[in-house]
Amino acid sequence: KQEVTQIPAALSVPEGENLVLNCSFTDSAIYNLQWFRQDPGKGLTSLLLIQSSQREQTSGRLNASLDKSSGRSTLYIAASQPGDSATYLCAVRPRTGANSKLTFGKGITLSVRP
Amino acid sequence: DAGITQSPRYKITETGRQVTLMCHQTWSHSYMFWYRQDLGHGLRLIYYSAAADITDKGEVPDGYVVSRSKTENFPLTLESATRSQTSVYFCASSGPRSNYGYTFGSGTRLTVV
Repeated sequence: KQEVTQIPAALSVPEGENLVLNCSFTDSAIYNLQWFRQDPGKGLTSLLLIQSSQREQTSGRLNASLDKSSGRSTLYIAASQPGDSATYLCAVRPRTGANSKLTFGKGITLSVRP
Repeated sequence: DAGITQSPRYKITETGRQVTLMCHQTWSHSYMFWYRQDLGHGLRLIYYSAAADITDKGEVPDGYVVSRSKTENFPLTLESATRSQTSVYFCASSGPRSNYGYTFGSGTRLTVV
């Protein structure tokens, strides 16, 4: 059974810092991995989608990498801002079994201090 | 507008009542999903659908019913609401191929009193 882990559960950093959010998964047989952002009381917004054949994806100050062999993904946020404060979730789409169903991590709650 | 919309945004209901949460998407995505999100449990899949008239149970289906007579709609019904079903409910959709990502609705906050 696929398990997705995000550690730590919460992170507080000063504004301007470059930071890395980690995501690990137990089964490397995946189609893709997706990073989401969730603001308090809001829905999930897709940030980046990395296909299994890709190593990374970039969008603005965000860069996500994927290493299937080690079961890891990182979300790099450059020059963090208070507006980046939110919960960040990663999710993997498996190749085996019911491959339409994502498995989610529990998220990392990021606070960027002014 | 194109997208995925959920209604109502907020709902308060009494124990034992039937309540239906609506989800509508305009992309003709094949897959649709219902999740609930609770503190300490994260996102849990309730039901999903691969196409019209095809539905299947997720991780926590008890007490819920779904239907999908049209591709664009995927309503979730709580047959007899219980306090344990107080939660935030999210609908999501995804295209037909496995390289598609998910898109989520804004959620319905349901309180059962």
